[in-house]
Amino acid sequence: SAVISQKPSRDICQRGTSLTIQCQVDSQVTMMFWYRQQPGQSLTLIATANQGSEATYESGFVIDKFPISRPNLTFSTLTVSNMSPEDSSIYLCSVPLDNTFEQFFGPGTRLTVL
Amino acid sequence: GQQLNQSPQSMFIQEGEDVSMNCTSSSIFNTWLWYKQDPGEGPVLLIALYKAGELTSNGRLTAQFGITRKDSFLNISASIPSDVGIYFCAAVPSNTGKLIFGQGTTLQVKP
Repeated sequence: SAVISQKPSRDICQRGTSLTIQCQVDSQVTMMFWYRQQPGQSLTLIATANQGSEATYESGFVIDKFPISRPNLTFSTLTVSNMSPEDSSIYLCSVPLDNTFEQFFGPGTRLTVL
Repeated sequence: GQQLNQSPQSMFIQEGEDVSMNCTSSSIFNTWLWYKQDPGEGPVLLIALYKAGELTSNGRLTAQFGITRKDSFLNISASIPSDVGIYFCAAVPSNTGKLIFGQGTTLQVKP
C-alpha cells in the first residue's frame, strides 16, 4: 500500500476565492485520481492526473473550475476555483496499487464555503 | 452512464448479528471492490474481487463477485461496534483504472 497525505485537512473559505489542495504520496505512481464527496453522498471522480500531460476530466468537471497540476510522480494539486457554497465537499486523492485496480485514498480535505 | 445501485442504504443492528449488503448494476464489470469509510477519513479498501464467482474473505468480512459480473455482495459476520461506518462498493469500468462508487450503506451497531 501507499502512504498518502493531503493538505490542508480542512478549510473554511469565502465564496469567490480559490483553494489549492495538495496530495503527497510516499512512492512514485503513474496515475493519481481526484474525487469529490459531497455531504452525505458517495464519491465522484473529478479527473485523472497524469505526470507530464494535462489532466483528464470526467463529464461535468472542467479545467477552469478544477485546475490540476502533476509536477512529478509523487505529488499533485487540485485547485477549486471561484468557490461557491455548492463546492462544500470532501476532496480526496487516490493512487492505484501497482499493476492492480485497487486504489488507496488520502485522508481527504474537508472544504466548507461560506 | 454506468451506475451502481447499493442496498440497503442504512442498517441498524445489534452487536453479534450478521450483516449483508449488495451492489448491482446493468453493466458488466471485471473488478469489484469494497471500501469502508470512517468519519473524517478516506475510504479504506477491504476486499478486491477479480473473477466472476470469486468468494474472498478478510477476517469476518466475506465478499462475492456475482457470476453475471453485474453484482457483488459483502457479508460481515458477528458484528462488533467498530464495524460502524459507511461501506461502499466500487467497480472499474472497462479496465480504465477509474472507479465508480455505489451510494454507500451506513452501518450502525448497537452494543
